[in-house]
Amino acid sequence: DTEVTQTPKHLVMGMTNKKSLKCEQHMGHRAMYWYKQKAKKPPELMFVYSYEKLSINESVPSRFSPECPNSSLLNLHLHALQPEDSALYLCASSLLGPGGGEKLFFGSGTQLSVL
Amino acid sequence: TQLLEQSPQFLSIQEGENLTVYCNSSSVFSSLQWYRQEPGEGPVLLVTVVTGGEVKKLKRLTFQFGDARKDSSLHITAAQPGDTGLYLCAPRSGGSNYKLTFGKGTLLTVNP
Repeated sequence: DTEVTQTPKHLVMGMTNKKSLKCEQHMGHRAMYWYKQKAKKPPELMFVYSYEKLSINESVPSRFSPECPNSSLLNLHLHALQPEDSALYLCASSLLGPGGGEKLFFGSGTQLSVL
Repeated sequence: TQLLEQSPQFLSIQEGENLTVYCNSSSVFSSLQWYRQEPGEGPVLLVTVVTGGEVKKLKRLTFQFGDARKDSSLHITAAQPGDTGLYLCAPRSGGSNYKLTFGKGTLLTVNP
């Protein structure tokens, strides 16, 4: 199994809603990442978890709250989002922790629309 | 701060044409990765280049790492509609290599 699975694929939410994005991998990878991608732009790093601990937060607003319940799962909790937060949210994983220069495996993303 | 340039930003060509995409920086990289992202999908790793002057081939794709390890190019021969996508370079350098920041990307459209 070399997949990173993200759910849901599409999400529409209001600015007062609370929702969660989920990401799962069963490759034994110990680093997991959240990226945000606007249309026709490159992915921008949001968070990195290494060995289930948050190791990088790229100054992301607190309305985005990551969680890593175990080594296979990564969640992104959303609350009080703004329309400009509408984007494709990508999850990725890699075998080891930061610094390995290794391959990232990406999921297909969750396309989020905030109304 | 590392300055990373990727060009061209947009490219629309006919099937069968050749093209080259460039990734340049003011900094030296320890390695560099190229990813391709197809519409509706996440990026997929195409290649990692490590040694200055290295050339790697993947079918019709040829990747080159500059001798000084500051730049890289991707050349596609006889492009096909299936090559359509966003091509991203991702350099690795020094203490921040774990972040895997991307270049601005080249959005390639190959028309049949």
